Amino acid sequence: QKEVEQDPGPLSVPEGAIVSLNCTYSNSAFQYFMWYRQYSRKGPELLMYTYSSGNKEDGRFTAQVDKSSKYISLFIRDSQPSDSATYLCAMDRGNQFYFGTGTSLTVIP
Amino acid sequence: DTGVSQDPRHKITKRGQNVTFRCDPISEHNRLYWYRQTLGQGPEFLTYFQNEAQLEKSRLLSDRFSAERPKGSFSTLEIQRTEQGDSAMYLCASSYTSGGFTDTQYFGPGTRLTVL
Repeated sequence: QKEVEQDPGPLSVPEGAIVSLNCTYSNSAFQYFMWYRQYSRKGPELLMYTYSSGNKEDGRFTAQVDKSSKYISLFIRDSQPSDSATYLCAMDRGNQFYFGTGTSLTVIP
Repeated sequence: DTGVSQDPRHKITKRGQNVTFRCDPISEHNRLYWYRQTLGQGPEFLTYFQNEAQLEKSRLLSDRFSAERPKGSFSTLEIQRTEQGDSAMYLCASSYTSGGFTDTQYFGPGTRLTVL
């Protein structure tokens, strides 16, 4: 079993839709939870960084962490074509990051 | 631009050749990480440095791979006797740590390696 599981998609939504992206994990030692956005052939770009259970909002993005269920989510409101990318969840166990496989998202104008 | 930079951005080489990649981290960051990413997968950890000390290496880092960060600033990743299975995107990231707190990692654009 992988440490971090993420549905690879692909996910296709119309412009303006609310997008929900999810990851589950097995190791309760993970302390920090991140979401990165990666455009094709580019390096990952940090979107959200959370530590505790609960919600964190930044503009159209909301990150949600449920440590009791070992489940994290990223919500994108009013999705735009420019949001089309691969979204990677990542978790930190002190010195190492563990990434999900990424979910490919396409927002159709 | 004060982000993480990597050079070259693309490298095509023949099987058996040696290649070297360079990473320049964000200037105040004392930690530097190397990852490998293949198509359809998330980045996989290879190794990381704190200042000039290499503190951890993944089992993915075979004997053909070596990384250095001689002055605690830029880092190089060398692959000797490249194999076709080494074809991937090699990502560098940096972060700042102090007093038990480690900030998140910021990634460079990556070096895409193709081994023919």
